[in-house]
Amino acid sequence: AQSVTQLDSQVPVFEEAPVELRCNYSSSVSVYLFWYVQYPNQGLQLLLKYLSGSTLVKGINGFEAEFNKSQTSFHLRKPSVHISDTAEYFCAVSDHFDYKLSFGAGTTVTVRA
Amino acid sequence: EPEVTQTPSHQVTQMGQEVILRCVPISNHLYFYWYRQILGQKVEFLVSFYNNEISEKSEIFDDQFSVERPDGSNFTLKIRSTKLEDSAMYFCASRKDGGTYEQYFGPGTRLTVT
Repeated sequence: AQSVTQLDSQVPVFEEAPVELRCNYSSSVSVYLFWYVQYPNQGLQLLLKYLSGSTLVKGINGFEAEFNKSQTSFHLRKPSVHISDTAEYFCAVSDHFDYKLSFGAGTTVTVRA
Repeated sequence: EPEVTQTPSHQVTQMGQEVILRCVPISNHLYFYWYRQILGQKVEFLVSFYNNEISEKSEIFDDQFSVERPDGSNFTLKIRSTKLEDSAMYFCASRKDGGTYEQYFGPGTRLTVT
C-alpha cells in the first residue's frame, strides 16, 4: 500500500513570487507520481507526472517537480505564480499494478496581488 | 480533445434512496475508476474496473455500492440505499492501456444526501 503526505495544508503567496509545495510518499514498491490541480468547483487536472527517467519533470502552466528517491519526495515548484494559480493541489502516487491513485490531503494555494 | 463526462453535475437525494451516477469515459480507454471526495477531505479511491469486472475495491466500497458498464460507452456507480455520509463529490476517471498511465478525470458529481 502507498501513502502520501502533503506537508503544507495552506500556502499563501504573493503574485510573481515562487512557490514550493511539499510531498512525501511511502511505498514498498516502485511508484508513479503525479500532481493534480483542482480549481474551485472543477474536477482534477493533471499538472505533471513522473514515470521514469529524468528526476526533474516539467508540466503545464510553468510548474515543475523533482523526484528524490532517497528522500521519497516529489516537491512541486513554480518560479513565479499568478493569481490564476489559486487552487488546491494534490500529490498522488500509483503502483505499477492496478494504477489506482492514492492522494495526499491537498495544499490550498492562495495567490494575492 | 476527448474528455470524461459525468452526469448529473449535482444530485440531491433523500436518505435510503438509490442513486445512479453516470460517466462516459474517453472512448479508447479500457480502465475505469471511481473516486470520492468528502467536503474538506482527500480524494479517496473507491473502485477500479477492467474487462467488465471489478479489479480492485477499497473498504469504502461495500455491498451498498455497485458499478456497471451497461453498454460500450457508459460507466455507472450505483448506491443502493444512500446514507448521510455518502454526501461527497464523486469523480470518474479512465485511462488507456499502457502509455503514460495517466488517469483522466471527469468534472465530478456532487451528491447531497438529506
